[in-house]
Amino acid sequence: GDSVTQMEGPVTLSEEAFLTINCTYTATGYPSLFWYVQYPGEGLQLLLKATKADDKGSNKGFEATYRKETTSFHLEKGSVQVSDSAVYFCALILNTGNQFYFGTGTSLTVIP
Amino acid sequence: NAGVTQTPKFQVLKTGQSMTLQCAQDMNHEYMSWYRQDPGMGLRLIHYSVGAGITDQGEVPNGYNVSRSTTEDFPLRLLSAAPSQTSVYFCASSYELAGGAEQFFGPGTRLTVL
Repeated sequence: GDSVTQMEGPVTLSEEAFLTINCTYTATGYPSLFWYVQYPGEGLQLLLKATKADDKGSNKGFEATYRKETTSFHLEKGSVQVSDSAVYFCALILNTGNQFYFGTGTSLTVIP
Repeated sequence: NAGVTQTPKFQVLKTGQSMTLQCAQDMNHEYMSWYRQDPGMGLRLIHYSVGAGITDQGEVPNGYNVSRSTTEDFPLRLLSAAPSQTSVYFCASSYELAGGAEQFFGPGTRLTVL
């Protein structure tokens, strides 16, 4: 079946550190891939997305590249800030599908 | 635009009680869905709808009912609450599914079943 696996958390980083959150997927067809972010006490918000292989999604300094050969969509940011503290979810939907599949979420805490 | 709204924000039920979680969107989105969020489990799809009058089950539908009589509203009914249904519930909507359309999420309802 279709699924998303992302790295276990929690992750704690110092401000200005480099961030990588790993995400791999299994898909029976051609998926679109997403990263959502959830700030404390709020619903999820779209952070970035990519709809085909080799696409790079980017937003707010975060980037992720859709790698079909490794079935991955790792999230990166060169210099994290305290305000980036949140839970990050990787997700997919097949281009012919009607259900989104989410990973378990990775909690990030950035300390000053 | 209010986006996706959910009521109530918090609810405490006793085992066996029934209740309805409300969800509404004002973006004229066809696709709406309900998720539950549990620690270590991420978001799991309960039910979804691709348009008024059309609903389908997701990954964890047992114990929940939905209906979609209008484009705007997608209520989730708990028939007989159980402690296992203690969770945070999110409603989401999007204008389409194809092409990687963004899902918009409501603020969530935190439900505790005693």
